[in-house]
Amino acid sequence: AQTVTQSQPEMSVQEAETVTLSCTYDTSESDYYLFWYKQPPSRQMILVIRQEAYKQQNATENRFSVNFQKAAKSFSLKISDSQLGDAAMYFCAYRSGGETSGSRLTFGEGTQLTVNP
Amino acid sequence: NAGVMQNPRHLVRRRGQEARLRCSPMKGHSHVYWYRQLPEEGLKFMVYLQKENIIDESGMPKERFSAEFPKEGPSILRIQQVVRGDSAAYFCASSLYSGRANYGYTFGSGTRLTVV
Repeated sequence: AQTVTQSQPEMSVQEAETVTLSCTYDTSESDYYLFWYKQPPSRQMILVIRQEAYKQQNATENRFSVNFQKAAKSFSLKISDSQLGDAAMYFCAYRSGGETSGSRLTFGEGTQLTVNP
Repeated sequence: NAGVMQNPRHLVRRRGQEARLRCSPMKGHSHVYWYRQLPEEGLKFMVYLQKENIIDESGMPKERFSAEFPKEGPSILRIQQVVRGDSAAYFCASSLYSGRANYGYTFGSGTRLTVV
């Protein structure tokens, strides 16, 4: 079974600074996808960024980028120029590339990010 | 497009009562997923349904929990004889495709169930 581990329960960053959230995962599969989701106090789960395992290039979405290290099974999220609106719980998630099992997300325990003005 | 609609947003039940949580997927989406989030934890997969079919229920507790996605109407997650340990946020997500073609879900805002 796949597992996802986020070793930082809480992180804080100053507004406009950069912060990196860590995520490691364990799998024996070669075909999979990795995600970062943001959950603000409203509870809505918002997709931040996605990475396909077969792609060597790290995904980037505006101020959000990932450092995907496939051999090390590491998938960290970097938030640049942090904004107050980035404050939220961040979840790392894994999805298999298979047909049925590929429809299930496995989540980490989350990292609560605080942005200080 | 209204997104994934879950209702109620908050639900309070006494121990032993039944809880019915509803999820209307995004328009055109025929794949529905239910997840549970216990306090201070990440989301845990419960069940994956297509119209009138349960595809994967490997995350569902064996007793008291059931889910359906009828041909017409919303998907329903039903919890019978609720206990305090069922208190959690229950999220529904939907997708247009499944498996490899599924590039991402759209989540609802969840239903927070409190058992008193």
